[in-house]
Amino acid sequence: QVQVVQSGAEVKKPGASLKVSCKATAYVSASYGFSWVRQAPGQGLEWMGWITTHNGETNYAQKFQGRVTMTTDTSTTTAYMELRNLTSDDTAVYYCALRVMGNYFDPWGQGTLVTVSS
Amino acid sequence: SYVLTQPPSVSVAPGKTARITCGGNTIGSKSLHWYQQKPGQAPVLVIYDDADRPSGIPERFSGSNSGNAATLTISRVEAGDEAAYYCQVWDYSSDHPVFGGGTKLTVL
Repeated sequence: QVQVVQSGAEVKKPGASLKVSCKATAYVSASYGFSWVRQAPGQGLEWMGWITTHNGETNYAQKFQGRVTMTTDTSTTTAYMELRNLTSDDTAVYYCALRVMGNYFDPWGQGTLVTVSS
Repeated sequence: SYVLTQPPSVSVAPGKTARITCGGNTIGSKSLHWYQQKPGQAPVLVIYDDADRPSGIPERFSGSNSGNAATLTISRVEAGDEAAYYCQVWDYSSDHPVFGGGTKLTVL
C-alpha cells in the first residue's frame, strides 16, 4: 500500500523561505499528483495548491500565488513545496496528500511542522 | 467560491449513533468525501464518493448525500472515534478542493 513520507520539522525566521518534500513510496497509476494542505494551530484544513506528476501542471490557491512554487521529480515520485517570505502566520503543519482520481486525497503524509519565529 | 458548512462540535455517548452534517448549495450533485483527523495525526479518508468506505474503515462509518446536505453517520460510537471530521468536495469551476470547517466529535 502506497505511503506518503514528508521531510522533517523546520524552524524559520520571518522573511525566510521554506522547502518541504513529499515522496510517494510507490507509483500510483490512478493518481493525479499531489496536493498541499496546511493547518494552523487549532484551525481547519487550508488547501494551498496541487501539482500533477505526469507533466508538472500546477494550480495554486489565490492566497499563495506569487509566494509558493510546487515542483515534482517524476523519476523519484517526489514533490516539493517552496513558500517564500515567511511570517508568523505561516506557522502550521504542512501536509501533502496524493490526489486520487475522483478528486479526493488518500493517503496523506505525516505532516511537517513549520515554526516561523524570530 | 463554493462553501461547505459543518457544525463546530457534536457530542455523543459511547454505543450511540453520531451524525455529522456538511451543508452546501446543491451538494447532492457533487461527490462528497470525509476525513477523520485524530489529535496530532494526519487526516485519514473514511468515506469517498458520498458513501464508499476505503479498505480498513469499519462498517460503522457510513455516508449519505442529497439535496443541500451530506451526513457522516458513525454507529456504535467508540472512544477511539473521538476526532475532528472534515468534509470535502471538488470545485470544478476553479479546479480545486473545498474543505468544510471541520466538526469536533466528542465521545462523552
